[in-house]
Amino acid sequence: KAGVTQTPRYLIKTRGQQVTLSCSPISGHRSVSWYQQTPGQGLQFLFEYFSETQRNKGNFPGRFSGRQFSNSRSEMNVSTLELGDSALYLCASSPTGGLNEQYFGPGTRLTVT
Amino acid sequence: QQQVKQSPQSLIVQKGGISIINCAYENTAFDYFPWYQQFPGKGPALLIAIRPDVSEKKEGRFTISFNKSAKQFSLHIMDSQPGDSATYFCAASKSGANNLFFGTGTRLTVIP
Repeated sequence: KAGVTQTPRYLIKTRGQQVTLSCSPISGHRSVSWYQQTPGQGLQFLFEYFSETQRNKGNFPGRFSGRQFSNSRSEMNVSTLELGDSALYLCASSPTGGLNEQYFGPGTRLTVT
Repeated sequence: QQQVKQSPQSLIVQKGGISIINCAYENTAFDYFPWYQQFPGKGPALLIAIRPDVSEKKEGRFTISFNKSAKQFSLHIMDSQPGDSATYFCAASKSGANNLFFGTGTRLTVIP
């Protein structure tokens, strides 16, 4: 099976712009979670989608949003980008959610200038 | 507040030695404890995971030890190899939730 894929892999944006990142989960997986990884804050949970519904949400401002499509692919959007949003954004998929293992993609490296 | 505390921050081990990384958690509702391995430029890869109904789980050279009363768990890498050089993260989550709380990571260097 192909692993989790994320596009684009690298992105450079200017402060104030918005950005959309995409994630395709492992075939058959219905849960997609998003994480932000920075040197200062480490790995932090953003939100989880299951069957097109947001099921869990981390402690991030409303500028961070996401959605999931009927084929389980997910997108996350960050509006009004700030310098502090520069990070590696990771997507993880899980078969059904709950107690199942999460498998991460390679991430999208976002740089905000 | 850091829900999962991890130590040490960095670790240097000789080839063939044992690498030990420790984690502690506060929330007694956590009942799933995975370890992830991350190489530079890659996403974290699931290494091994444990649930609180067992005190130890072994997969190849990797062993998790779990102490429920102390709210601690650790990763042991036996016969450490240079290819094991990576950053290791412990994590924890609750039943029915896919939001993992991660430790701060341990950078392991195995010297030949």
